[in-house]
Amino acid sequence: GAGVSQTPSNKVTEKGKYVELRCDPISGHTALYWYRQSLGQGPEFLIYFQGTGAADDSGLPNDRFFAVRPEGSVSTLKIQRTERGDSAVYLCASSVTSGLGNEQFFGPGTRLTVL
Amino acid sequence: DQQVKQNSPSLSVQEGRISILNCDYTNSMFDYFLWYKKYPAEGPTFLISISSIKDKNEDGRFTVFLNKSAKHLSLHIVPSQPGDSAVYFCAASGSQTGANNLFFGTGTRLTVIP
Repeated sequence: GAGVSQTPSNKVTEKGKYVELRCDPISGHTALYWYRQSLGQGPEFLIYFQGTGAADDSGLPNDRFFAVRPEGSVSTLKIQRTERGDSAVYLCASSVTSGLGNEQFFGPGTRLTVL
Repeated sequence: DQQVKQNSPSLSVQEGRISILNCDYTNSMFDYFLWYKKYPAEGPTFLISISSIKDKNEDGRFTVFLNKSAKHLSLHIVPSQPGDSAVYFCAASGSQTGANNLFFGTGTRLTVIP
């Protein structure tokens, strides 16, 4: 079956612009996660949704970052007033449900470059 | 602060030999550990996991060992195959640390030489 998909695969923007990154989870998965992977680092947790609600947004670095999942399926990560330090690969993952032991399936990521 | 550490950025192993990838963690509240494998331009793929109530978990050529007192885990791949060449990430989670957040190490790039 189809895995997690993310669009666009690459996004180049200028400092100060607004960007939206999209994630389509595996059908039927109720939990959805966003991670950010900077160069030379492992993925870093940003936010997790159970259904439509953001159950844990403790990893969002500041209020320029926001994510939504209005219908409990597709999610959009929104970054306002982008900065060069936001350049990274943004990974989305989904799992059947939340909690320990539930395997997170990752998408290929969106590579964001802020010039 | 990096709560999960992989101190070896790279490892080269001859085909057929054993690959041992190491991982250390600092947070004693972690009680679930995972290994992910990542190929270029793809997302990480789950490989194997272990709960803190166990000290070993085996799945085919892959075995993960956990030493809770040392806060150390390792992934053994036997025998190593060229297709195993990838970046391997150790990750940890815990019911007390946000069960749905995975804390990742920085990864180890494994190269299996034919």
